[in-house]
Amino acid sequence: NAGVMQNPRHLVRRRGQEARLRCSPMKGHSHVYWYRQLPEEGLKFMVYLQKENIIDESGMPKERFSAEFPKEGPSILRIQQVVRGDSAAYFCASSPPVGGGNEKLFFGSGTQLSVL
Amino acid sequence: GNSVTQMEGPVTLSEEAFLTINCTYTATGYPSLFWYVQYPGEGLQLLLKATKADDKGSNKGFEATYRKETTSFHLEKGSVQVSDSAVYFCALSAYLIQGAQKLVFGQGTRLTINP
Repeated sequence: NAGVMQNPRHLVRRRGQEARLRCSPMKGHSHVYWYRQLPEEGLKFMVYLQKENIIDESGMPKERFSAEFPKEGPSILRIQQVVRGDSAAYFCASSPPVGGGNEKLFFGSGTQLSVL
Repeated sequence: GNSVTQMEGPVTLSEEAFLTINCTYTATGYPSLFWYVQYPGEGLQLLLKATKADDKGSNKGFEATYRKETTSFHLEKGSVQVSDSAVYFCALSAYLIQGAQKLVFGQGTRLTINP
């Protein structure tokens, strides 16, 4: 059973371009989370999605950032018109459907976004 | 609000030394507490967790006890190995929404063990 797969591992963009980060959750997992790690900081929650639904996007910047988790295919974190401050490691995590609570999160290896 | 504060790194120890990485938290309610580990080039892995006061989480020789009175969850290991070199993150589960977790992380502590 493959783990959470993120691609690309490294993404370089120039200011003003778009960045698309992909995350394939573990098989059978229906919950996806995106976190961002700025240099020398901890991971910060961005968004939590279930299939075709955004459940909590309280950590997403109001502009330029969007996320989706379609019925088929990976979850996508999209950043439009990137700026240097968007340079960070973006981690995806997934968890199985609801059980007794405290479902374990499984993290991907992250995408390192560098904006030139 | 909810927050986690970790001991600043980096921490460098010799093999077989005793390890403590401090973690304190502020939270409303009664969160679950976690330690995650990130080995070079990999994603975060759950190391251990505790879900209520006085619980002790343990795994791979690491331990941490949920102390409500001091709002702490310090990570300890009696004898570290070179393979323990990694970044360690303390985290709390801020809420459960539709059965899922929302984690709040500390800034991470980089640990290097020298042979």
